[in-house]
Amino acid sequence: GAVVSQHPSWVICKSGTSVKIECRSLDFQATTMFWYRQFPKQSLMLMATSNEGSKATYEQGVEKDKFLINHASLTLSTLTVTSAHPEDSSFYICSAPGLGDNEQFFGPGTRLTVL
Amino acid sequence: AQSVTQLGSHVSVSEGALVLLRCNYSSSVPPYLFWYVQYPNQGLQLLLKYTTGATLVKGINGFEAEFKKSETSFHLTKPSAHMSDAAEYFCAATKAAGNKLTFGGGTRVLVKP
Repeated sequence: GAVVSQHPSWVICKSGTSVKIECRSLDFQATTMFWYRQFPKQSLMLMATSNEGSKATYEQGVEKDKFLINHASLTLSTLTVTSAHPEDSSFYICSAPGLGDNEQFFGPGTRLTVL
Repeated sequence: AQSVTQLGSHVSVSEGALVLLRCNYSSSVPPYLFWYVQYPNQGLQLLLKYTTGATLVKGINGFEAEFKKSETSFHLTKPSAHMSDAAEYFCAATKAAGNKLTFGGGTRVLVKP
């Protein structure tokens, strides 16, 4: 099956700094990728849809200026958490749909801890 | 708006016993339905999916699920639980292939020896 990677797998940063998370489709191209956030013991909540070559589509309540998404190529989407605060600490997961497969492939996730 | 409901945030079963995880969706159009499993600090692994055709779907690790349109349900079962089945399970739905997923709240499965 298709593989999606994320980097880094975990990151610890100081409050006020920015953190970039990468999501790559390793063996297939993805014009669309999805970014989810998962707080401890909770479900996944969609943050935004990343579109290659165009602006991301954000879900209601997600600050687009805080969570910057760039989908510059068919295999890479990045999520930058700007001016991170402790409440942004979470598990961030990306996914990409496979071609004609009705299935989405998930990355392993990135654990962000903001001190 | 589409929603997915998982009844029971925690399920405890004995090793060898039946595992039953409930999932109901709300949608005027039958969606594509999925069950995923998540182990601690890991991403999601697909167990099985329903798109069209046969309503009884078999997945990996001995899991299966049945799509019942009349009940708007997609419950997940496994005849005999194994210790390795202890994990978090998520039911998800989407209106179309490649579209964003709506997740249920998740059910944590504990397997007792």
